[in-house]
Amino acid sequence: SQQGEEDPQALSIQEGENATMNCSYKTSINNLQWYRQNSGRGLVHLILIRSNEREKHSGRLRVTLDTSKKSSSLLITASRAADTASYFCAPRSGQNFVFGPGTRLSVLP
Amino acid sequence: GAGVSQSPSNKVTEKGKDVELRCDPISGHTALYWYRQSLGQGLEFLIYFQGNSAPDKSGLPSDRFSAERTGGSVSTLTIQRTQQEDSAVYLCASSYDPQRTQYFGPGTRLTVL
Repeated sequence: SQQGEEDPQALSIQEGENATMNCSYKTSINNLQWYRQNSGRGLVHLILIRSNEREKHSGRLRVTLDTSKKSSSLLITASRAADTASYFCAPRSGQNFVFGPGTRLSVLP
Repeated sequence: GAGVSQSPSNKVTEKGKDVELRCDPISGHTALYWYRQSLGQGLEFLIYFQGNSAPDKSGLPSDRFSAERTGGSVSTLTIQRTQQEDSAVYLCASSYDPQRTQYFGPGTRLTVL
């Protein structure tokens, strides 16, 4: 199974600022997904980027993927207090995967 | 349409008792996953079903843990002789097939006293 490692572990920013979170992984992948988790319950799927894609947008989210560096980044622009959550990346190379500890984002009003 | 549902949402039990956690996946999803998340930690993979069979049981932490899936739909995760270290949120996810997006349920918070 494949595990993503998120960086930083924690991030605090002011409302309106941009937040960037990074993910590294070890082996080749089919795709990589980012998830958000609020209040320690239930994950919400944010975006999926395939191994042949380099960048993908969804609303205020921008995800990049660099397969040569085995890394991905998630950018949240114009952050809001409601973006406060833990963010996990999930690189997929088989039938299952293991999430890393995530990045805990705090957006301060 | 309906998402993944799990029951109960909260379970408090005494050490040594058995518990059953239930997961109802999204209709038509053939893949079903169980994860565990301890307080402040990332997700730990437990077991994966494709249809009714479990090709990967590698994440089950001990033989006190078992899971089954019937009719390619509902799954139950059973923990026998619960221990305090079993306290965690147990999350279930399903996907149309193993290469597609996993959709997560709200989880069951298990507390073993």
